[in-house]
Amino acid sequence: DVKVTQSSRYLVKRTGEKVFLECVQDMDHENMFWYRQDPGLGLRLIYFSYDVKMKEKGDIPEGYSVSREKKERFSLILESASTNQTSMYLCASMVEGAYYTFGSGTRLTVV
Amino acid sequence: KQEVTQIPAALSVPEGENLVLNCSFTDSAIYNLQWFRQDPGKGLTSLLLIQSSQREQTSGRLNASLDKSSGRSTFYIAASQPGDSATYLCAYLSGNNDMRFGAGTRLTVKP
Repeated sequence: DVKVTQSSRYLVKRTGEKVFLECVQDMDHENMFWYRQDPGLGLRLIYFSYDVKMKEKGDIPEGYSVSREKKERFSLILESASTNQTSMYLCASMVEGAYYTFGSGTRLTVV
Repeated sequence: KQEVTQIPAALSVPEGENLVLNCSFTDSAIYNLQWFRQDPGKGLTSLLLIQSSQREQTSGRLNASLDKSSGRSTFYIAASQPGDSATYLCAYLSGNNDMRFGAGTRLTVKP
């Protein structure tokens, strides 16, 4: 069974901290994505990657960066966490033209 | 900016009813359309995927149709059960391989 694993279900971080959210897929997928989900705003794309070391900005990249050193791992980095980055973060992977598969999400709270 | 609209935003029905969820989108050049289920605090689970060349897909009690020309998809649940209670999201795949999501329909099926 295909799997996308996000390393943490819940995280609490302090304002100004550097935060790493990890996502690993075991399906050899080229395309990986980071979304954030907020009430009333739905899912918004932060960054995506279509190959190792490749990245593209989504709709709301400000305050975030990403890293894809290996095909199976796509990391989202909050350079200096702020309270407005408190959200549910969802990672997904996809083979071209096929299903999106999501991880179980990371609920991040910045205090 | 392309948008996805889901109607209704929330729906409450008694167990056993057949129900319909609606999704409309403005992008005529979609690659595919996917329906997801999300339980509270969890990630998204893919339910049905319709390729742009297809008109509908079925899985058990679930059915989804796609009309690209009118920019609409309809999601049916037959003989609803309390276990169907969740938020249902539709999303289409755009040309650059990122998905555009609706805000979801929150469904409650009462015993």
